[in-house]
Amino acid sequence: AQSVTQLGSHVSVSEGALVLLRCNYSSSVPPYLFWYVQYPNQGLQLLLKYTSAATLVKGINGFEAEFKKSETSFHLTKPSAHMSDAAEYFCAVSFTGNQFYFGTGTSLTVIP
Amino acid sequence: NAGVTQTPKFRVLKTGQSMTLLCAQDMNHEYMYWYRQDPGMGLRLIHYSVGEGTTAKGEVPDGYNVSRLKKQNFLLGLESAAPSQTSVYFCASTRDSWNTEAFFGQGTRLTVV
Repeated sequence: AQSVTQLGSHVSVSEGALVLLRCNYSSSVPPYLFWYVQYPNQGLQLLLKYTSAATLVKGINGFEAEFKKSETSFHLTKPSAHMSDAAEYFCAVSFTGNQFYFGTGTSLTVIP
Repeated sequence: NAGVTQTPKFRVLKTGQSMTLLCAQDMNHEYMYWYRQDPGMGLRLIHYSVGEGTTAKGEVPDGYNVSRLKKQNFLLGLESAAPSQTSVYFCASTRDSWNTEAFFGQGTRLTVV
């Protein structure tokens, strides 16, 4: 079965600290991988996507993610958290000819 | 450039009532989707469409119907609402495949009492 797992439904970090949000997928073929962000009462917005061109992907707002095939992971990081980063983050995968599968989401709290 | 627009934004229904949610996109996208978002469950695909006049079932289609009569519009219908359909509904679109960026509407918060 193909799926995506986000470890940790809630993550809290101090302002200025490293942000690390975890995403693992299960698949027998390399997927397309995405991170989306959802601010309160809004729809999802694309942060970044991996499409096999490069394993380290840079996105908007200083976020980046690294695709590690051996670990079937696509963790999202940001070196220094900002108050405006507080939101819900979703990892998603898709496979050629198949639908998106979303993780259950990680709520990020940034502590002043 | 409006992107993806959903109407209404909020609605309260009584059990057994029907309603239609409208999604409109102005990006000339081929693919459109309806998701529901529930706490702790992420987004689950209800129905999708890969082009005008086509629809297909997603992960949780029961109790819902859809139509895509025009390329820019994707309608989600609830024929007989149930409390289990209380959720936030999101419409999304992609240009021409599953592997490109999805653009989302702002959501419809539906409560069935």
